[in-house]
Amino acid sequence: NAGVTQTPKFQVLKTGQSMTLQCAQDMNHEYMSWYRQDPGMGLRLIHYSVGAGITDQGEVPNGYNVSRSTTEDFPLRLLSAAPSQTSVYFCASSYGVTGVNEQFFGPGTRLTVL
Amino acid sequence: EDQVTQSPEALRLQEGESSSLNCSYTVSGLRGLFWYRQDPGKGPEFLFTLYSAGEEKEKERLKATLTKKESFLHITAPKPEDSATYLCAVQARGTSYGKLTFGQGTILTVHP
Repeated sequence: NAGVTQTPKFQVLKTGQSMTLQCAQDMNHEYMSWYRQDPGMGLRLIHYSVGAGITDQGEVPNGYNVSRSTTEDFPLRLLSAAPSQTSVYFCASSYGVTGVNEQFFGPGTRLTVL
Repeated sequence: EDQVTQSPEALRLQEGESSSLNCSYTVSGLRGLFWYRQDPGKGPEFLFTLYSAGEEKEKERLKATLTKKESFLHITAPKPEDSATYLCAVQARGTSYGKLTFGQGTILTVHP
């Protein structure tokens, strides 16, 4: 199993540009989530999904869109990038069963917005 | 609102010098408390899940414990390869399994 994969690993954007961060998992997990990690602030939840076709907002959703058309994929879209979105982005997935509900994380995408 | 506070922010130890990391939490009913290890430039790596007060889990030199208000990650006789950032997170009962609330982490450095 590859686990959780993310592409690209690094990206530089100009203010106003759009892009999509890709996330895929091959563990047949129902739940998938996007977090951003900034120095001194830990990981903060952006959006999450409880299954194909179902998404919801986390703590910091503004400026980001998500969709989930398949169990495996959960892309994160930045419609108009801003310098405040410079961060490291992590995708995670998990089973939705207490006792087996730890989240597994991908390697991250480091995004810089100029 | 769920809150997680980790202390200290940074900890420097000599190899073999045992210590503990603290995770204090406020949550409206705990479903689970999670410990992760994160190496520079990598994603968080799962270590432990604790579900109820009094529970303990061990893995090599690490031991995690849980009370009703806090969790401790005890590191016994650490080695330089234990150097990493350790993250604590909680999941509240009644919320989605996709939601974790993280603390800001403790940066552990173990000198040879």
